[in-house]
Amino acid sequence: GQQVMQIPQYQHVQEGEDFTTYCNSSTTLSNIQWYKQRPGGHPVFLIQLVKSGEVKKQKRLTFQFGEAKKNSSLHITATQTTDVGTYFCAGPRRNNDMRFGAGTRLTVKP
Amino acid sequence: TAGITQAPTSQILAAGRSMTLRCTQDMRHNAMYWYRQDLGLGLRLIHYSNTAGTTGKGEVPDGYSVSRANTDDFPLTLASAVPSQTSVYFCASSPGLAGGYNEQFFGPGTRLTVL
Repeated sequence: GQQVMQIPQYQHVQEGEDFTTYCNSSTTLSNIQWYKQRPGGHPVFLIQLVKSGEVKKQKRLTFQFGEAKKNSSLHITATQTTDVGTYFCAGPRRNNDMRFGAGTRLTVKP
Repeated sequence: TAGITQAPTSQILAAGRSMTLRCTQDMRHNAMYWYRQDLGLGLRLIHYSNTAGTTGKGEVPDGYSVSRANTDDFPLTLASAVPSQTSVYFCASSPGLAGGYNEQFFGPGTRLTVL
């Protein structure tokens, strides 16, 4: 079945450094969603990408959807302590549910 | 607006006992979901429902059952709990049908420990 792989599993950065997490699918995705989960919290929707090669920005966050719609990335410029958390990508599976990646846990050292 | 509420917040349960995790949403969303979250495995879908009266199996449905008697409530039942069901359980909802292009809204979670 369709698998969504996410790397790296963990990333520790110094505040001010950049951060990128990657999401790869074994099949072409119609769309991909990104969520953020703060420590002890619940996942919160960040953004959805639909078009091939799409790039969207939210302040310091840049989201990309690959040309083949099989991969996606989230890049954070100049990380802050408020960026701490786990970032998940999710892709649809047979239109009945979203398959989530295992997540990338980001820690930021002040 | 509360969004999605879950109860209890946490629970310790003896193996073999049954338990129902409650989930209520006030957004009138059609679709509702139950996920379990385990370290290193992300969020895995247990069951989902597109509308009242219908349910479907997700990725890891064994040992769990759900019902959808109305739009707002989507309880998850463990008939006979086992230690491998120790996890954090999240309920979620989305407008429209399950999956696809709909943003999911998550509840605060229930931390369940089965001993």
